[in-house]
Amino acid sequence: AQKITQTQPGMFVQEKEAVTLDCTYDTSDPSYGLFWYKQPSSGEMIFLIYQGSYDQQNATEGRYSLNFQKARKSANLVISASQLGDSAMYFCAMRGVNTGGFKTIFGAGTRLFVKA
Amino acid sequence: NAGVTQTPKFRVLKTGQSMTLLCAQDMNHEYMYWYRQDPGMGLRLIHYSVGEGTTAKGEVPDGYNVSRLKKQNFLLGLESAAPSQTSVYFCASSFQGANTEAFFGQGTRLTVV
Repeated sequence: AQKITQTQPGMFVQEKEAVTLDCTYDTSDPSYGLFWYKQPSSGEMIFLIYQGSYDQQNATEGRYSLNFQKARKSANLVISASQLGDSAMYFCAMRGVNTGGFKTIFGAGTRLFVKA
Repeated sequence: NAGVTQTPKFRVLKTGQSMTLLCAQDMNHEYMYWYRQDPGMGLRLIHYSVGEGTTAKGEVPDGYNVSRLKKQNFLLGLESAAPSQTSVYFCASSFQGANTEAFFGQGTRLTVV
């Protein structure tokens, strides 16, 4: 069975500093995708970044980067130069190809607080 | 530029009542999903569909039914609402494959009293 684990219910970071949000996953699929989404207080889900299981390089999108360690089954999100607008819930998600049945599953989320 | 549209956005039901949540997408996506979001539990998959006329159970399917008669629509039904179904419901859609992100609707806040 597939599973996503986010062990940090809440995180604090000082404005302009970097922060790492942890995500570990479990799957038997040989091919899968990993995603991070942001949910601000307004409630919408915003896609941030994607990492494929066969990608050799870690994904980056602006201030977001994904620290992908396949052997450890971890896909941590790194936010550089935090801004007040980064305060939100962050969800790690995964979609498998074979046994996963193409369904996307999510972790419980991490609430990030950026301090001025 | 509608994307994924959910209706209604808010609803209050009495225990035992039924209702249908409608999700519509205009991006020609094959896959569609229904999730519920509860505090501390993230998004849990209720049902999903990988194509018109097909549906499958997710993590928490009990008490819900779904239908996908048209590719662009995915309906979530509650036959007899219970207070435990008080939640925020999200619909999402995506192209097939493991490398494409899901696009979400704005959510439906449902309260069952």
